[in-house]
Amino acid sequence: SQQGEEDPQALSIQEGENATMNCSYKTSINNLQWYRQNSGRGLVHLILIRSNEREKHSGRLRVTLDTSKKSSSLLITASRAADTASYFCAPINQGGKLIFGQGTELSVKP
Amino acid sequence: DTGVSQDPRHKITKRGQNVTFRCDPISEHNRLYWYRQTLGQGPEFLTYFQNEAQLEKSRLLSDRFSAERPKGSFSTLEIQRTEQGDSAMYLCASSLDRVNEAFFGQGTRLTVV
Repeated sequence: SQQGEEDPQALSIQEGENATMNCSYKTSINNLQWYRQNSGRGLVHLILIRSNEREKHSGRLRVTLDTSKKSSSLLITASRAADTASYFCAPINQGGKLIFGQGTELSVKP
Repeated sequence: DTGVSQDPRHKITKRGQNVTFRCDPISEHNRLYWYRQTLGQGPEFLTYFQNEAQLEKSRLLSDRFSAERPKGSFSTLEIQRTEQGDSAMYLCASSLDRVNEAFFGQGTRLTVV
């Protein structure tokens, strides 16, 4: 399996702090996507990073990718209570299939 | 561009009944994916399409599940003889191709009683 495995499974921080979530996978990938999911809702696409990219930014989000270590990280800076959600990485194989892990449950306390 | 649309949003059915869900992808998106998600778990891959061709179906799926995308646009997912274990959120996503972003709909929540 090449599913994304997120670490930690749960993370609790105070508003204003940074949150870092990690993702590991097992086989070669085409690109990797990060998603956010609020309880009971659909997945919201956050950012896509391609296999030839090392870092990408979008607002308060920073994503890194290390294909040699088969890992990625998502950093959320200056967190807000509204960032409370589950976060998933989804590596995409050469065929274009997304495989999800269990996610990281982030809780940001005001 | 109205995003990925799924219908219905909620479905309650009695065990043994058949149900069908519909997904309308983003216009001109060639790829369409179906996932299933239970509480506290990540989305589980079910199947995906490139235009009207079904590229892969999860081995986890029993023969009670079938999906179609007859004209390469909308897709349907049918579950026959539903069981309580089928209760879950069924998610659909679409992407332009295999290298670009995949966007999800709001899902269909199925409850089998």
